[in-house]
Amino acid sequence: DGGITQSPKYLFRKEGQNVTLSCEQNLNHDAMYWYRQDPGQGLRLIYYSQIVNDFQKGDIAEGYSVSREKKESFPLTVTSAQKNPTAFYLCASSIERGGNEQFFGPGTRLTVL
Amino acid sequence: GQQVMQIPQYQHVQEGEDFTTYCNSSTTLSNIQWYKQRPGGHPVFLIQLVKSGEVKKQKRLTFQFGEAKKNSSLHITATQTTDVGTYFCAGADAGNNRKLIWGLGTSLGVNP
Repeated sequence: DGGITQSPKYLFRKEGQNVTLSCEQNLNHDAMYWYRQDPGQGLRLIYYSQIVNDFQKGDIAEGYSVSREKKESFPLTVTSAQKNPTAFYLCASSIERGGNEQFFGPGTRLTVL
Repeated sequence: GQQVMQIPQYQHVQEGEDFTTYCNSSTTLSNIQWYKQRPGGHPVFLIQLVKSGEVKKQKRLTFQFGEAKKNSSLHITATQTTDVGTYFCAGADAGNNRKLIWGLGTSLGVNP
């Protein structure tokens, strides 16, 4: 089955700890994205990558970092510098960046205690 | 900056009633996409509209793209409890490298 996987589904961390969320896709898509969703809010873009070894900041990149060493993988690190990290994090991919259909993973719900 | 306004934010209907959500962009769009997110789930792509004035149907769902390619609507006829969820529009900005701009979504509740 082709698709996007994110793990874990739920994640709990203590304040001040960095945490890395995984995102893997086997759709052979060039573009990948990380979004943050807060209750009752829309999707806010954190980072995106159009190609391996390249990524760009989205609208709310502060306190986050990413890497894109492989086409299939786009992990997101939530650092201790992120002021309010508790949220639902969604990873997505598309054939290429631009107005293409985005496929989403199931999401990771991060709670920082 | 570029914005896509989506209204209403919430709507509750009785099962069998119709429902419509609207999106308005501050800039011309190259296309607009619609997604549905069930409670606790992730957004799932429904459809993409590209042409000015385009109308597409998927069973009880009707999608429209305005003549000026700045607005769009999603209409559901005779809602069912399975329609519950949040509906997002996302427009690809025609001028800005086709960046996808997301609306805040309309949350639909359906009373059986």
